[in-house]
Amino acid sequence: EAGVVQSPRYKIIEKKQPVAFWCNPISGHNTLYWYLQNLGQGPELLIRYENEEAVDDSQLPKDRFSAERLKGVDSTLKIQPAELGDSAVYLCASSLGVGNEQYFGPGTRLTVT
Amino acid sequence: EDQVTQSPEALRLQEGESSSLNCSYTVSGLRGLFWYRQDPGKGPEFLFTLYSAGEEKEKERLKATLTKKESFLHITAPKPEDSATYLCAVQAGGNTGKLIFGQGTTLQVKP
Repeated sequence: EAGVVQSPRYKIIEKKQPVAFWCNPISGHNTLYWYLQNLGQGPELLIRYENEEAVDDSQLPKDRFSAERLKGVDSTLKIQPAELGDSAVYLCASSLGVGNEQYFGPGTRLTVT
Repeated sequence: EDQVTQSPEALRLQEGESSSLNCSYTVSGLRGLFWYRQDPGKGPEFLFTLYSAGEEKEKERLKATLTKKESFLHITAPKPEDSATYLCAVQAGGNTGKLIFGQGTTLQVKP
């Protein structure tokens, strides 16, 4: 069974530029999560989707971050404009509903210069 | 406030030297406690879920236990390939699905 797929794996951009990350969850997983992980820290939830609906986006900085999950499968996370402090690893995870174990993708390492 | 604290931050063991990692938590209504392993440059890999105090789960050289305030990940006779960062996370009651992670324990096993 294929795992969670993310792309790109690495991205280097200059501050104020836009950037987008893509995630394809495990087939059949209706719940999708985006996490942010800073170096030496555990992941922190940004947003959770149930199918195509964003049901928890309280930690998403909405002035510059946006996300979508069209058709309830793939998802895209966007930052516009990026700031130096956005440098981190962005992880996507999926699960068979809330409360079940979450499976993570390899992440996208973003460096903002 | 829901919180997870892991100790120690780093642990160095000789191959075959057993030890335990600690995960202390405060949460409003524990729905589940999760252990993950994370290798450098990779996403967290699911290991165990524990749901109630007294529960234990095992996988190869790893054994996870749970009390009302903490969880332990026991590593028996570790091998160099067990070297990784081990993350603990709790899921509070309700329907948020949100995992609250600790900062992790980085384990290095020397041959």
